[in-house]
Amino acid sequence: AQTVTQSQPEMSVQEAETVTLSCTYDTSENNYYLFWYKQPPSRQMILVIRQEAYKQQNATENRFSVNFQKAAKSFSLKISDSQLGDTAMYFCAFMKYPFSGNTPLVFGKGTRLSVIA
Amino acid sequence: DGGITQSPKYLFRKEGQNVTLSCEQNLNHDAMYWYRQDPGQGLRLIYYSQIVNDFQKGDIAEGYSVSREKKESFPLTVTSAQKNPTAFYLCATGGAYGYTFGSGTRLTVV
Repeated sequence: AQTVTQSQPEMSVQEAETVTLSCTYDTSENNYYLFWYKQPPSRQMILVIRQEAYKQQNATENRFSVNFQKAAKSFSLKISDSQLGDTAMYFCAFMKYPFSGNTPLVFGKGTRLSVIA
Repeated sequence: DGGITQSPKYLFRKEGQNVTLSCEQNLNHDAMYWYRQDPGQGLRLIYYSQIVNDFQKGDIAEGYSVSREKKESFPLTVTSAQKNPTAFYLCATGGAYGYTFGSGTRLTVV
């Protein structure tokens, strides 16, 4: 079974600074998908970024980028120019490839990020 | 507007009572999922359904039941056998591009 570990329960960053959230996972699969989700105080889950393991290029979405190290089974999220609206819980998640309804997302326990003005 | 809707937003359960959480989607996805969220525990899978009239237990299915009679609907019943039901419940649907989540139901035992 796959497991996802987020070793930083809480982090804080000054507004406009850069912060990196860590995620490691354990799997015997060669191909898979990785995700970062954001859950702000509203508790609505929002997809931040997605990475396909068979693509070596790191995914980027505006101020959000990942550092995907397949051999190390590491998938960290970098937030540049942090904004107050980035304050949220961040969850790392793993999905088997290819997708089927019988391969649900497996989540880490989350990192609570606070952006300080 | 396509999306996934959970209701109610808040629900209160008395001891020994069964309650049902609603989840409806119009995104035309086959697969649907129920997760439970507790502080410090992340999201844990309760039940999932790959297709209509089929569903499987997740990691913490004890004390819960589901049905999948329509593609659009995947209700979750929290039974009296669930000894610690106070939590935030999230329904989701989706595929390889990720899941879309409902806005959640906060269940509290009174």
